[in-house]
Amino acid sequence: DAGVTQSPTHLIKTRGQQVTLRCSPKSGHDTVSWYQQALGQGPQFIFQYYEEEERQRGNFPDRFSGHQFPNYSSELNVNALLLGDSALYLCASSLIGQNEAFFGQGTRLTVV
Amino acid sequence: RKEVEQDPGPFNVPEGATVAFNCTYSNSASQSFFWYRQDCRKEPKLLMSVYSSGNEDGRFTAQLNRASQYISLLIRDSKLSDSATYLCVVNAGYALNFGKGTSLLVTP
Repeated sequence: DAGVTQSPTHLIKTRGQQVTLRCSPKSGHDTVSWYQQALGQGPQFIFQYYEEEERQRGNFPDRFSGHQFPNYSSELNVNALLLGDSALYLCASSLIGQNEAFFGQGTRLTVV
Repeated sequence: RKEVEQDPGPFNVPEGATVAFNCTYSNSASQSFFWYRQDCRKEPKLLMSVYSSGNEDGRFTAQLNRASQYISLLIRDSKLSDSATYLCVVNAGYALNFGKGTSLLVTP
């Protein structure tokens, strides 16, 4: 049973560029959430997707957008990258109505 | 004020010691509570859920005090493999709100 998988694992981008991160949820899960974890901090909630709709959004600018596909996989897009966007981006999947969330290994984004 | 606040740590303890982590949360409407463990440069993994009645899983005991909005985690008989960052997590709505984490280093 595959867990949550994310790609790529590492990425280096230049300021101003755009990036797309991908996530496949754990088998049987229908809800995907994205988190940003800066060095030395706890993960911060970006948004959650369910039934291909953004269900809730954290305190992140519109440069951060996402999508969920019919197979429940998801993408996180970040436009106009800033140095401060450098972080570990984590995807978590869960089943609607259940609290337990499982995290992928994350994508480590470095903006230079 | 942050939604979830934890002991800053780090905690350095010898093998076999008992160590306690504390956490407070600000949203009284919070419904679910967890402790996650995160190893260096890895993803967070659920250690245990926390219930009002308190719950135990082997060497780990978690307690929740809703009136004080306080959560604790007790680790008994610490092992070297317990070295990690422990994240206090509170769920209110759809988002998980994480504390900053407390680092634990268990030494021989």
